[in-house]
Amino acid sequence: DAKTTQPPSMDCAEGRAANLPCNHSTISGNEYVYWYRQIHSQGPQYIIHGLKNNETNEMASLIITEDRKSSTLILPHATLRDTAVYYCIVRSRSGGGADGLTFGKGTHLIIQP
Amino acid sequence: GAVVSQHPSWVICKSGTSVKIECRSLDFQATTMFWYRQFPKQSLMLMATSNEGSKATYEQGVEKDKFLINHASLTLSTLTVTSAHPEDSSFYICSARGGGARYNEQFFGPGTRLTVL
Repeated sequence: DAKTTQPPSMDCAEGRAANLPCNHSTISGNEYVYWYRQIHSQGPQYIIHGLKNNETNEMASLIITEDRKSSTLILPHATLRDTAVYYCIVRSRSGGGADGLTFGKGTHLIIQP
Repeated sequence: GAVVSQHPSWVICKSGTSVKIECRSLDFQATTMFWYRQFPKQSLMLMATSNEGSKATYEQGVEKDKFLINHASLTLSTLTVTSAHPEDSSFYICSARGGGARYNEQFFGPGTRLTVL
């Protein structure tokens, strides 16, 4: 799986949009971009994933650049409960999900009141 | 849907004892489950992949005789930490591969915090 690079930490004001960047310059054509988050002392929570098109669900939006070398996770209206470590993971889906996930250090997002 | 539970949520044991942690998929069948551990201020590290009805596959550096994994049914995998020592104290998290339309997704349990005295 391709390596990802994320800033170690970010702050965002409550109610504002939180934009979390991720670089994955070595991503290959069949690899997807996944985002998970982990609230302190809990298991990771799936947020969203995408291949090349922008994606949106009830939690967030995922913007992937045209060359697919980077992406941005957007939490449109951040709340205090969004404080967590956010992990960007690149992986192939060809294995049918048979492989465990490789977690980097992620970005610790702190939402300020 | 796609809920995964773990039991217990925390456990404290004496050095040398064995501890069993259960991981259950509550509303779907999971042919594949994964076990991770997370030390303080570190990221999750994959320990092993558990397939229903077959032997688990362990990551490099993980002792299979120390961390016994059993995946006897489509909804239950267990991790037994044998002869636990203080260095085994960690946050153990399981995940289960989804079924049906969510075949490629992994759903995580809430984790089990193990403290070995």
